This record gives sequence, structure tokens and C-alpha cells, in this order.
Amino acid sequence: GDSVTQMEGPVTLSEEAFLTINCTYTATGYPSLFWYVQYPGEGLQLLLKATKADDKGSNKGFEATYRKETTSFHLEKGSVQVSDSAVYFCALVYSGGGADGLTFGKGTHLIIQP
Amino acid sequence: EAGVVQSPRYKIIEKKQPVAFWCNPISGHNTLYWYLQNLGQGPELLIRYENEEAVDDSQLPKDRFSAERLKGVDSTLKIQPAELGDSAVYLCASSPNTGETQYFGPGTRLLVL
Repeated sequence: GDSVTQMEGPVTLSEEAFLTINCTYTATGYPSLFWYVQYPGEGLQLLLKATKADDKGSNKGFEATYRKETTSFHLEKGSVQVSDSAVYFCALVYSGGGADGLTFGKGTHLIIQP
Repeated sequence: EAGVVQSPRYKIIEKKQPVAFWCNPISGHNTLYWYLQNLGQGPELLIRYENEEAVDDSQLPKDRFSAERLKGVDSTLKIQPAELGDSAVYLCASSPNTGETQYFGPGTRLLVL
């Protein structure tokens, strides 16, 4: 079945550092890919998405490129802020066979220190 | 525009008791999802509705879990009886139609003692 693998956390960085959170997937078709963010005490919020190969999703300084060759969707940000501290989830949705639930990775806890 | 609304936000019950969670999706969204999120894990789909029809409930433990979406709008997820292992966060999400971006509510955090 479909699956998503994220780098283990927590990831601890200093403010203004460069961020990469790795995400790879396995899927039997051509899924859409997402990054969701969960701030403490809040629900999941869509951060960015990409629906086909080579698409780049971007939002709030974050970006990720859908790489079909390497089945990856790594999240990057050039300069992180303390307010970026949260749990980040990579996810895919594959509509083949009628299944439409998101398949999530386990999440990566990001801690940004001032 | 109002987001997905869930209630209650927190619930503490004793094992073997029943519990129910309520979800109001974004207005106009035809597809509704219930997910289970265990501590330190990503959410897992329990059931998906298209309007009032449950079209994917293969992951719903039907011996104790039930769900309904009357009139294709609000939805209720019920557990009866609850077990200790049911302690988790129950998330509701909605999307305009199948295959489109899903928007999540804040979740209901359940603790079974």
C-alpha cells in the first residue's frame, strides 16, 4: 500500500538557519503531495501542496518540489523563525480505486531556538 | 469563512462508557473524513463520506465504532464501549469534493481511564 516516510525528530535549529525536512513516498499511482503543519494545541493546517511531477508548492517561505524520479517531496525554508516551531506532516492522497483518505508520515517535530 | 468545527475539544471518560464526537464541515463541502491520531503518529483515516453516504469505512472498527452523517452536513462519530486504547485525538476534515484539498478541524482529544 501507499506510505510516507519522514525524517525522525525532533529537529532543533537556531533562528535564521536553513531548514530541510526529508519526505519520501511509495505509491502505486500518481498521488498529490502535501505538507501539513500542526502548531501546539491546534489542528492540522495545510502548508503547501503539489499535484504532479516537478510542481513546486510554496507558502510562508516554505517550499517543496514533487520529485517523481526520487519519489520525494522535501520541505525547505531558507531562514526559520521561532514561530515555525511545530510538527510537520508529509502526506499523499491517491484516488485510485476510490480511496481518498490522506496517507500521512509520522510527523517531524521542529524546534527553533532564538 | 468558518473552518471545520469539532466538539467537544476534550473528553475524559471511564472505560466501557460511550462517547460521541461531533463535526460541522466547511459550508458547501461534500466530502467529510474522520481520522484517528495516536500520540507521536500521523493521522489515519477511519471513514470517508460523500454527502450522506459512507464510501470508505474499511478502517473503522465496526464492533465498537459507528458514524453517521445525516442530511450530508454534520457528522457524529461514536464509540461504545470505549477502551483504554481508544485514547487519542479524533480529527474531522472536509473537502469540496473527492480528491480536493482537505481542511482539518482542531480535533477532539479523548482520554479513557
